[in-house]
Amino acid sequence: GENVEQHPSTLSVQEGDSAVIKCTYSDSASNYFPWYKQELGKRPQLIIDIRSNVGEKKDQRIAVTLNKTAKHFSLHITETQPEDSAVYFCAAVYTNAGKSTFGDGTTLTVKP
Amino acid sequence: GAVVSQHPSRVICKSGTSVKIECRSLDFQATTMFWYRQFPKKSLMLMATSNEGSKATYEQGVEKDKFLINHASLTLSTLTVTSAHPEDSSFYICSATRVGGMDSPLHFGNGTRLTVT
Repeated sequence: GENVEQHPSTLSVQEGDSAVIKCTYSDSASNYFPWYKQELGKRPQLIIDIRSNVGEKKDQRIAVTLNKTAKHFSLHITETQPEDSAVYFCAAVYTNAGKSTFGDGTTLTVKP
Repeated sequence: GAVVSQHPSRVICKSGTSVKIECRSLDFQATTMFWYRQFPKKSLMLMATSNEGSKATYEQGVEKDKFLINHASLTLSTLTVTSAHPEDSSFYICSATRVGGMDSPLHFGNGTRLTVT
């Protein structure tokens, strides 16, 4: 089955700095890669996603890059703000099977 | 749009009793719903995949007789934790995808914090 590794497990940055979280996946059949933000005790919220036919996608301060050959994808947050502090999860999805495999999460702390 | 409602948000029960958790897609039809368990500061662990009108598919290591899943309609799936024990205490969360939308993002419920005393 699919295996997703996410790094780092914790990340602390100063407000205004950039944050990068990386994920690798093992199954080349995975073709959809969403990123979720989860605040303590709340549901995961989709923040950005990318499909396997795209190499990069950007939405304001958030961007995701995908390297299919190397089987890794990354989340980039620029100009971080304290409200960006949360746990971020990546996922790899093989849409034909409809099953998502999640990374272990990254706890991001943005210090004011 | 794409709202998933999960109820209850928090439940405390005594050891040996059963607890039912409901997951509803409020404004879309969901052929598939997923049930996860999440331990503190850990990732989402998929327990089972629930398909409307058929038996749920359980992940390895998840006891199907312990965690009963029913997906009676395109908008409702239920998870029943039977004969709950303290080790079943956890955060349970459901998610749903739209009909024909396997490449759509998952929409998560708010989660249920289960405490078994």
